[in-house]
Amino acid sequence: IAGITQAPTSQILAAGRRMTLRCTQDMRHNAMYWYRQDLGLGLRLIHYSNTAGTTGKGEVPDGYSVSRANTDDFPLTLASAVPSQTSVYFCASSDSRVETGELFFGEGSRLTVL
Amino acid sequence: GQNIDQPTEMTATEGAIVQINCTYQTSGFNGLFWYQQHAGEAPTFLSYNVLDGLEEKGRFSSFLSRSKGYSYLLLKELQMKDSASYLCAVRDSNYQLIWGAGTKLIIKP
Repeated sequence: IAGITQAPTSQILAAGRRMTLRCTQDMRHNAMYWYRQDLGLGLRLIHYSNTAGTTGKGEVPDGYSVSRANTDDFPLTLASAVPSQTSVYFCASSDSRVETGELFFGEGSRLTVL
Repeated sequence: GQNIDQPTEMTATEGAIVQINCTYQTSGFNGLFWYQQHAGEAPTFLSYNVLDGLEEKGRFSSFLSRSKGYSYLLLKELQMKDSASYLCAVRDSNYQLIWGAGTKLIIKP
């Protein structure tokens, strides 16, 4: 089934540990994004990539890093997790060459940092 | 700063009509999106407006007025499955999406 896959679905993590959230899409979309969603707040962009080999910082990039080695994969790494990074993380992709360029989201990764 | 405002929560009755408003102040405008998000699930695309006017898609319609910085999502013949959060997002001059906090819609029988 075509789409966007995230892993893990949920994770409990001790503060200070390193964690990588995986994201893979098979729609050949050029653009990919990582958002976090917290109660009462809109989706906030962490990092994005407009094409393989390039990445950019979003609204809340501190404490996170990404890479885009190829079109399909866009992992998000927390180098040293802190409790404020407890959130639901959504990976998304889009074909920015299409006028609407709507986002397609993965099912989310619920991360709890203790 | 950039800002998207929408009501936090709305309640409506099954079979009725509900209008969810969204006002925005952004650096430039390159389209407005509505997404639906059921609890515990990912957002899914509903509609896109870039020109003024009404876009109709089945039971859902979306309206845009760029001069007023205003949009609404109209849901007709409400069904219980329409209980969800509805997210308004505007694409700014840098082609980045600015998101509202979402409107939780509760449908009562």
